[in-house]
Amino acid sequence: AQSVSQHNHHVILSEAASLELGCNYSYGGTVNLFWYVQYPGQHLQLLLKYFSGDPLVKGIKGFEAEFIKSKFSFNLRKPSVQWSDTAEYFCAAKPNTGTASKLTFGTGTRLQVTL
Amino acid sequence: DTAVSQTPKYLVTQMGNDKSIKCEQNLGHDTMYWYKQDSKKFLKIMFSYNNKELIINETVPNRFSPKSPDKAHLNLHINSLELGDSAVYFCASSQSGGRGYTFGSGTRLTVV
Repeated sequence: AQSVSQHNHHVILSEAASLELGCNYSYGGTVNLFWYVQYPGQHLQLLLKYFSGDPLVKGIKGFEAEFIKSKFSFNLRKPSVQWSDTAEYFCAAKPNTGTASKLTFGTGTRLQVTL
Repeated sequence: DTAVSQTPKYLVTQMGNDKSIKCEQNLGHDTMYWYKQDSKKFLKIMFSYNNKELIINETVPNRFSPKSPDKAHLNLHINSLELGDSAVYFCASSQSGGRGYTFGSGTRLTVV
């Protein structure tokens, strides 16, 4: 069965620090990959997604992610975080096998940005 | 206009009661989902409907019964609520062939 792992459960950074959140997936075939953000008390919002093509994907709010097929990874990065980036970040993967394939989430990483 | 809307936003109820959560999407998508987010923020799929047909049914107690009257609506009915059902329930939709999901704002269910 497919799974998604996020190894950083809680990350604390100062403003302007650089961010990298790890995400690994286990699925041998073609996958679509996503990063979602959930601000406190709010719903999930899509940050960025990868389907095919350029493995470096740029999303909203200055976030980017790199798909490395050989490592089954899709790490999220931001060069300089802001206090407003404090949120829960979820990596998700969906096999590209049709309607019945499931979008599976990682356990999430809580990012806390301090002033 | 809200793309995926859920009602109610908050629901507090006693154990043993039966309750429903409604979801509607105006994106023209043909697939809808229910996800459960537990107290540790873990998101797990419960059900998925494509064109009103159930296509994903995870290991969920049969007290949970989804209903899709049309492809723009997916409701979730829960019988005999238990304390462990307390969670945030998210509805989502997507278009088969496309690969992005749009989530609703969630329904926070608290069973007391």
